[in-house]
Amino acid sequence: SQTIHQWPATLVQPVGSPLSLECTVEGTSNPNLYWYRQAAGRGLQLLFYSVGIGQISSEVPQNLSASRPQDRQFILSSKKLLLSDSGFYLCAWRAGLGTDTQYFGPGTRLTVL
Amino acid sequence: GQQVMQIPQYQHVQEGEDFTTYCNSSTTLSNIQWYKQRPGGHPVFLIQLVKSGEVKKQKRLTFQFGEAKKNSSLHITATQTTDVGTYFCAVLGRGGYNKLIFGAGTRLAVHP
Repeated sequence: SQTIHQWPATLVQPVGSPLSLECTVEGTSNPNLYWYRQAAGRGLQLLFYSVGIGQISSEVPQNLSASRPQDRQFILSSKKLLLSDSGFYLCAWRAGLGTDTQYFGPGTRLTVL
Repeated sequence: GQQVMQIPQYQHVQEGEDFTTYCNSSTTLSNIQWYKQRPGGHPVFLIQLVKSGEVKKQKRLTFQFGEAKKNSSLHITATQTTDVGTYFCAVLGRGGYNKLIFGAGTRLAVHP
């Protein structure tokens, strides 16, 4: 069966520090991968998506970047965090052709102080 | 861009009362999905509706897709404390790649 992992689960970082969040998927190949951010008590905002290794598309201009160095690995990064980067970061994958359903990882709760 | 409006934002009910959340789009949708997020958790897929006028049931949950495929509802009969969480609808965004656009969500609180 397919599983999706994210780490770390929680993170507290000072303003101006770098960020690296990792997402890995097991049990599937060539998935579409997505990064979302959820502010406290709010909905989900799509940040990036990837349809393959090295292919990244950004949905909104921001202080973040994403990379996909391997088929089942998706990384969210920042060189210098802002207070507004605080939130719940969720990685999701789609199984492929024939389904629109996305499956979410457990998320990383980021607090920037 | 593609948007979907979801109401209400919050709903407080007594255990045993019914609950309904609604999603509306200004454009015709190819399909609509519903997700549930428990407090502190991640969104979990509930169901996808594809056909005009479609009605699907999962135990006490009833999902409907409008005839014009521009609106959808999720109805919970006789709520239980386990129903607590935020319910999101999601629709496909423009530009392909199965990007999902989520509604703002309806947060359900159930008082015993």
